[in-house]
Amino acid sequence: DVKVTQSSRYLVKRTGEKVFLECVQDMDHENMFWYRQDPGLGLRLIYFSYDVKMKEKGDIPEGYSVSREKKERFSLILESASTNQTSMYLCASNEFDSGANVLTFGAGSRLTVL
Amino acid sequence: SQELEQSPQSLIVQEGKNLTINCTSSKTLYGLYWYKQKYGEGLIFLMMLQKGGEEKSHEKITAKLDEKKQQSSLHITASQPSHAGIYLCGADLRNTGKLIFGQGTTLQVKP
Repeated sequence: DVKVTQSSRYLVKRTGEKVFLECVQDMDHENMFWYRQDPGLGLRLIYFSYDVKMKEKGDIPEGYSVSREKKERFSLILESASTNQTSMYLCASNEFDSGANVLTFGAGSRLTVL
Repeated sequence: SQELEQSPQSLIVQEGKNLTINCTSSKTLYGLYWYKQKYGEGLIFLMMLQKGGEEKSHEKITAKLDEKKQQSSLHITASQPSHAGIYLCGADLRNTGKLIFGQGTTLQVKP
């Protein structure tokens, strides 16, 4: 089975702290994604990467950056956490194919910024 | 406004009842994906629809994509407590490989 692993399930950080959310997938997928999920808003795409060292902004990139130094790992970075970044963060991966873009998701990282 | 609208936003049904969740877009859908999420966990893939008029079933869950490929429905027959969770539709609106998602529908099934 494809597995996407998010290293931290729950984090509590203070305003202004730098936060790293790590995601690793084990199926050699080209594409990796970071979404945030908030009640009433569904999932919103923050950033995605279609290759090592390649990244593209999603719908809500402000306040976030990403890093993809290895194919299997995609990190989301909050340079200076703010309370409005309290959310559930979901990592996903897929192999883009015009026939099917099924995303496989990690279990999520719930971040609370105090 | 959302590019993918789901309705209803929440649903409470008695065990054994049927229910339908809708997902609507103003644009053509290049693939429509249904996911289920247990509270506080990641999303589990349910079904994918690509062709207009396509219908797929898995156990007691049936999903359809209309002929115009702008609306999908998810129907659960004889609901059970195990069906409870958040159902999300996702779609590739621009044929880029990036999925956007609806707001989600929270389903509770009362025993």
